[in-house]
Amino acid sequence: NAGVTQTPKFRVLKTGQSMTLLCAQDMNHEYMYWYRQDPGMGLRLIHYSVGEGTTAKGEVPDGYNVSRLKKQNFLLGLESAAPSQTSVYFCASTREYEQYFGPGTRLTVT
Amino acid sequence: GDSVTQMEGPVTLSEEAFLTINCTYTATGYPSLFWYVQYPGEGLQLLLKATKADDKGSNKGFEATYRKETTSFHLEKGSVQVSDSAVYFCALSPGGGGADGLTFGKGTHLIIQP
Repeated sequence: NAGVTQTPKFRVLKTGQSMTLLCAQDMNHEYMYWYRQDPGMGLRLIHYSVGEGTTAKGEVPDGYNVSRLKKQNFLLGLESAAPSQTSVYFCASTREYEQYFGPGTRLTVT
Repeated sequence: GDSVTQMEGPVTLSEEAFLTINCTYTATGYPSLFWYVQYPGEGLQLLLKATKADDKGSNKGFEATYRKETTSFHLEKGSVQVSDSAVYFCALSPGGGGADGLTFGKGTHLIIQP
C-alpha cells in the first residue's frame, strides 16, 4: 500500500514551458486535491475532484488545469509556466475526515 | 470566507518544556478542526482532529479541544521532545467531512533544543 505518490519530485522549468504533475493513490478514495505551499502562506487549494470525471476550482486555480480520468489518478497541468508558480505542490486524497498527503513536488520556474 | 489564524514562529523550546500553539478560526456553520504536522522534506500527516464543539483530539501526547465559544483549537503538549521539531498546521474543513478541501493556517515552525 503506497498511499499517495507524486511524480516528479523535483522539476525546473523555463517561463512559458508546460508540464504535468501526476498524483496517484491506491486507497480507492473518491476525493482528491491539489495544494500549493509557499513560504509564510500555508497550503492553498488549487483544484479538487469529488470523483472520476469531475473537477472543481479551489482558492487559487488560475494558471492551472486538472483532469481525473481514472479514480486513482489526478493530474495537474501548467500550460504556460510563470515564475509565480514556483512552489511546492502537494496532492492529497481523503477518506471521511482525514486527508492523506503525498510527499510533494518542488517546482522552480526561471 | 473561512480562515485560520495561528501563531507564527519559529517557536523555540527546551526539551521537556510545555508547548502551546494557538489557533483561532472563522467559519460559517459547523466546521471540523485539524492539526497536521510536517517533518522536513515530507508531506503533511494528520496529528489529531475534532469534529464538533467540546471534542478533544489527542495523539502522541498532543491534545487540542474544539472551543466554539472562543473559536479556538489550541495545540498543547506537556513535555516536548527533540523529535517533535517540525512545522504544525491548524486547518478546518467547512463542510465537516473534508470533501471540499481544507483551509490551512500559515504554519508554526517548532524547534526543540536538547
